[in-house]
Amino acid sequence: KQEVTQIPAALSVPEGENLVLNCSFTDSAIYNLQWFRQDPGKGLTSLLLIQSSQREQTSGRLNASLDKSSGRSTLYIAASQPGDSATYLCAAPWAGNMLTFGGGTRLMVKP
Amino acid sequence: GAVVSQHPSWVICKSGTSVKIECRSLDFQATTMFWYRQFPKQSLMLMATSNEGSKATYEQGVEKDKFLINHASLTLSTLTVTSAHPEDSSFYICSASQRAFSYNEQFFGPGTRLTVL
Repeated sequence: KQEVTQIPAALSVPEGENLVLNCSFTDSAIYNLQWFRQDPGKGLTSLLLIQSSQREQTSGRLNASLDKSSGRSTLYIAASQPGDSATYLCAAPWAGNMLTFGGGTRLMVKP
Repeated sequence: GAVVSQHPSWVICKSGTSVKIECRSLDFQATTMFWYRQFPKQSLMLMATSNEGSKATYEQGVEKDKFLINHASLTLSTLTVTSAHPEDSSFYICSASQRAFSYNEQFFGPGTRLTVL
């Protein structure tokens, strides 16, 4: 069964900093990996989905990379803003199309 | 496209009552729907997987008689929490996927917050 770990669990940074969120997974035989954002009390917003054939995917100030061989993915946020404050979750599939979620990184960007 | 809705968005009920939560795919036919539960400050835990027209597959530790799942059509799945108790209070999120989507990507609903008094 897939196990997904996210480090750090919480992060507080001043506005404008570039930051990296880490995600590791145990079963490297994945066909994609997905990053989500969750605001307090809300559902999930899909940020980026990286296919196994890709090494990275970009959307605006977000860049996600995937290294299957090492079982790792990173989410890079450039020039962080207070509006980026949220919990970021990564999820890796297993047994076909079931997802295992990491514990999340709670990000606080201070003005 | 690929929008999933949930109803209600929140519900408060008395202990011992049953609560039904609906999950709908609005603009696509979902061959598979998933139900997750999320406790405060924790991540999502998969409860069950349901395929249209067949019985749901429950994850270990999830009581199938307590959490009844019905996936009667390609656009609707329901989760019924029977005889709810305070420990069932949680945030319930559904997702839907379709085989035609690239790599069976899942699309998530906005969640339903259940509070059992």
